[in-house]
Amino acid sequence: QKEVEQDPGPLSVPEGAIVSLNCTYSNSAFQYFMWYRQYSRKGPELLMYTYSSGNKEDGRFTAQVDKSSKYISLFIRDSQPSDSATYLCAMSGRTGNQFYFGTGTSLTVIP
Amino acid sequence: EAQVTQNPRYLITVTGKKLTVTCSQNMNHEYMSWYRQDPGLGLRQIYYSMNVEVTDKGDVPEGYKVSRKEKRNFPLILESPSPNQTSLYFCASSLSVRGGSNQPQHFGDGTRLSIL
Repeated sequence: QKEVEQDPGPLSVPEGAIVSLNCTYSNSAFQYFMWYRQYSRKGPELLMYTYSSGNKEDGRFTAQVDKSSKYISLFIRDSQPSDSATYLCAMSGRTGNQFYFGTGTSLTVIP
Repeated sequence: EAQVTQNPRYLITVTGKKLTVTCSQNMNHEYMSWYRQDPGLGLRQIYYSMNVEVTDKGDVPEGYKVSRKEKRNFPLILESPSPNQTSLYFCASSLSVRGGSNQPQHFGDGTRLSIL
């Protein structure tokens, strides 16, 4: 079983839609949770970074962590064509020296 | 500009010919790491370094070597490359990951290696 599971999609939505991206994980020691966005031919760039359970909002993006269910989500409100990319979830444990990534979800926002 | 720089960006080579992919960061980061990205498998950690002269294995270290002689540089060495090492490689760095002060990583733009 993989440490982190993520639906690869692809996901296609109309502009302005609310997008929900999700990951599940198996290791209860994970404490730090991240979402990265990756455009074609580029490295991942950090979108959201949370510690432990709860919600975090940054502009159109909201990250949720439910440690009891081992489930994390990223919501994108008012999606834009520029949001079209692959979204990767990532997580690490208390020591924070090893990171585990999901396989990524490919998102296309249609104008 | 704060960045992680990898070279080369693209390389086609043959089995068994030693190669080095360089990685340099200009942010005075302590932590650096190498990943490979493969379809359906995502990003997998190869090696990481908590600081100068401190390196450790990630999930998929077989066939790779690293060194951290200076804070800014973290080269990835393939002593005898094989076709199964054909992949997209990313170097990343972060300020520190000590004592719970976990910091998110900044990534380079990747190196696409093809081993024939």
